[in-house]
Amino acid sequence: KAGVTQTPRYLIKTRGQQVTLSCSPISGHRSVSWYQQTPGQGLQFLFEYFSETQRNKGNFPGRFSGRQFSNSRSEMNVSTLELGDSALYLCASRRSQGATNEKLFFGSGTQLSVL
Amino acid sequence: AQSVTQPDIHITVSEGASLELRCNYSYGATPYLFWYVQSPGQGLQLLLKYFSGDTLVQGIKGFEAEFKRSQSSFNLRKPSVHWSDAAEYFCAVGSYNAGNMLTFGGGTRLMVKP
Repeated sequence: KAGVTQTPRYLIKTRGQQVTLSCSPISGHRSVSWYQQTPGQGLQFLFEYFSETQRNKGNFPGRFSGRQFSNSRSEMNVSTLELGDSALYLCASRRSQGATNEKLFFGSGTQLSVL
Repeated sequence: AQSVTQPDIHITVSEGASLELRCNYSYGATPYLFWYVQSPGQGLQLLLKYFSGDTLVQGIKGFEAEFKRSQSSFNLRKPSVHWSDAAEYFCAVGSYNAGNMLTFGGGTRLMVKP
């Protein structure tokens, strides 16, 4: 069974550009969430999607957005990139939404560098 | 607001020695507690989790953790460290209604001396 797949693995952008990151969850998993990991701020929750609906959102500006498709695949978009957006973006999936007692599976992440 | 503190940023132990990584949390509701491990360039792998019941939980790779409500702690332990355990370890807290919204500690980087 394939794990959580994130593409691309590495990305280099310049300030002001926008970027789209993709996440394919484990087959059968309908809940997808995104985290940002930076050396300064650590791991921070961005948002969670289930059945194409955003269920939870972290404390990030509106430049960060996401969506989920009917096949549970998810994308996140960052517009008007800033240097501080350089980070490892991690996607995680699990089977259902709601109770946290299901195991959360993480992908290897997309390393975004903003120059 | 919830928070998680991992007081030790770096820890170095000798191979075969015992290990304890500290985690303290602040959470208003009944917490769900997790330990994750991250190898360089990789995502997070769940080591163990605590939801309720027995306060000593066993995880993968020989790790265990003990939930102490009175101390708001959830320390991770391993009796004998292997060189392959070198990685970064994260403690996290969530709750029943929080879905995938976990609050992570800053992480502890473990180095293992031969």
